[in-house]
Amino acid sequence: AQSVTQPDIHITVSEGASLELRCNYSYGATPYLFWYVQSPGQGLQLLLKYFSGDTLVQGIKGFEAEFKRSQSSFNLRKPSVHWSDAAEYFCAVGFNFGNEKLTFGTGTRLTIIP
Amino acid sequence: DTAVSQTPKYLVTQMGNDKSIKCEQNLGHDTMYWYKQDSKKFLKIMFSYNNKELIINETVPNRFSPKSPDKAHLNLHINSLELGDSAVYFCASSPPSGGAEGTGELFFGEGSRLTVL
Repeated sequence: AQSVTQPDIHITVSEGASLELRCNYSYGATPYLFWYVQSPGQGLQLLLKYFSGDTLVQGIKGFEAEFKRSQSSFNLRKPSVHWSDAAEYFCAVGFNFGNEKLTFGTGTRLTIIP
Repeated sequence: DTAVSQTPKYLVTQMGNDKSIKCEQNLGHDTMYWYKQDSKKFLKIMFSYNNKELIINETVPNRFSPKSPDKAHLNLHINSLELGDSAVYFCASSPPSGGAEGTGELFFGEGSRLTVL
């Protein structure tokens, strides 16, 4: 069965600093990969996704992620964080494109300090 | 103009009661889902319906019964509520795969926080 690991439960960065959130997956083939963001009290919003092609994908709010097949990773990055980026971030893996059954990681909580 | 809307947003009830959460999407999507997010923020799929037909039924107690009267609605009824049912329940929808709209993206509602006392 596929699985997703987000090794960092909580990350704190200073406003304006760069950010990298880690995501590793376990699956026999190349899955479909997603990053979602959840602001407090809100539902999840898609930041970006990877299906195939260019392994560096751009998303909304200045985020990007890079798929590295050799490392089974799909890390999320942002060059300069803003206070409004404080939220919970979820990596997700899909393998059955017919019904979008996504398996989510346990999330990384991002705190931004002034 | 909310795309995926759930009601109620908050629900506090006693053990043993029966409750329902309603979900509606105005995106024209064929597939709808219920996800459960526990206190540790872990998200797990419960059910998926495609055009009113049950597609995914994960290992969920049969006290949970989804109902889809039409493809724009997916309700969740829970019988005999237990303490462990306390969680945030998210409804989501997705466009058809393979077509021009097929992206694999889920569109989530804002969640319904259920507290069982």
